[in-house]
Amino acid sequence: NAGVMQNPRHLVRRRGQEARLRCSPMKGHSHVYWYRQLPEEGLKFMVYLQKENIIDESGMPKERFSAEFPKEGPSILRIQQVVRGDSAAYFCASSLRAPSGGSHFTDTQYFGPGTRLTVL
Amino acid sequence: EDQVTQSPEALRLQEGESSSLNCSYTVSGLRGLFWYRQDPGKGPEFLFTLYSAGEEKEKERLKATLTKKESFLHITAPKPEDSATYLCAVQMEYGNKLVFGAGTILRVKS
Repeated sequence: NAGVMQNPRHLVRRRGQEARLRCSPMKGHSHVYWYRQLPEEGLKFMVYLQKENIIDESGMPKERFSAEFPKEGPSILRIQQVVRGDSAAYFCASSLRAPSGGSHFTDTQYFGPGTRLTVL
Repeated sequence: EDQVTQSPEALRLQEGESSSLNCSYTVSGLRGLFWYRQDPGKGPEFLFTLYSAGEEKEKERLKATLTKKESFLHITAPKPEDSATYLCAVQMEYGNKLVFGAGTILRVKS
């Protein structure tokens, strides 16, 4: 029963290059969330996706960052023209169901091991 | 603005010395409060979800409680393997994202 998988675990890029981070949710989960953990800071929400849909991208920087979750394959977080300030740990989480507006039910988000991005 | 504040920032305990971690929150409407444990270099590991004031959940040496404004994570007779960063997060009534606190770094010495 594999958990959330992320790869690569460590990624080094030079300024101006592109970074692609991959996330495979837990088996049966179709809801994916990306979070970023900057050095000495807490986890911050970036984006919430379902298959082929971006549901909430309120935490995504306006430029250079994009995310997708195709019908087949893993979710991808793409960072174009990376800068030193993008160095951080990027975590993916998945849940079985979506939160229902106004209900008292919420579904647990299970996290992957993270990708540690270093920009030189 | 929705906020989650954890205290203390760091806590050092002797093995067997019980204590509590605090998570206070100001949100417009709470759907659920989550506790996670994070070891260095790893992703957050789910511990508990609490939904309503008065609710309590236990797992081994850990017990989480919830009031209308805060949650406590009680650690009874901790062991060195309980050393980790403990994260609190809230999910709002009409949202889907988790809003995290900065965490409490717990060190248990034998």
